[in-house]
Amino acid sequence: AQSVAQPEDQVNVAEGNPLTVKCTYSVSGNPYLFWYVQYPNRGLQFLLKYITGDNLVKGSYGFEAEFNKSQTSFHLKKPSALVSDSALYFCAVRARPGGSQGNLIFGKGTKLSVKP
Amino acid sequence: KAGVTQTPRYLIKTRGQQVTLSCSPISGHRSVSWYQQTPGQGLQFLFEYFSETQRNKGNFPGRFSGRQFSNSRSEMNVSTLELGDSALYLCASGDRGGEKLFFGSGTQLSVL
Repeated sequence: AQSVAQPEDQVNVAEGNPLTVKCTYSVSGNPYLFWYVQYPNRGLQFLLKYITGDNLVKGSYGFEAEFNKSQTSFHLKKPSALVSDSALYFCAVRARPGGSQGNLIFGKGTKLSVKP
Repeated sequence: KAGVTQTPRYLIKTRGQQVTLSCSPISGHRSVSWYQQTPGQGLQFLFEYFSETQRNKGNFPGRFSGRQFSNSRSEMNVSTLELGDSALYLCASGDRGGEKLFFGSGTQLSVL
């Protein structure tokens, strides 16, 4: 069965420090991987995606993610965290087989808290 | 361009009633997907429509249904509401060939 796991419910980071939000996946075939962010009382916003190509993907707001096929991971990273990065982060994979653009499987989400 | 618009923003219903939620995608987007978000189950895929045809469906009972109109606007309907249907319902649209989804702010449904 296809799945996405975010092992940490919450990540706490001091402002200015690097941050990592972890994600592992299980899917048949080559994965289409995504990170989305959700601010309070809002819908989700796209951060970045990995379809093919370089394993290091750069996205919005200074975020990047590293695709690791051998470890089936797609961790989200940022070199220097901001208080405004505090939000709920979701990792997602496109459902396979037969999945389509709008058919994503999401992880449970990780709450990122950045303290001044 | 205007973003994805969902109406209403909040809705309160009682058990047994039915409800219809509306979603207007970004202009030019033909794909519309619906998701249910709850604290316990997280984000779960309901269904996706493309050019008025249901392209994929998640694992939800038949009480959950949807449709898409020729202008790409979409509605989802939940009949015979149960307490467990209380959730944030999110709509997302996508453009052809792209993999990025654009989400609306959602409709918060409370079933009493």
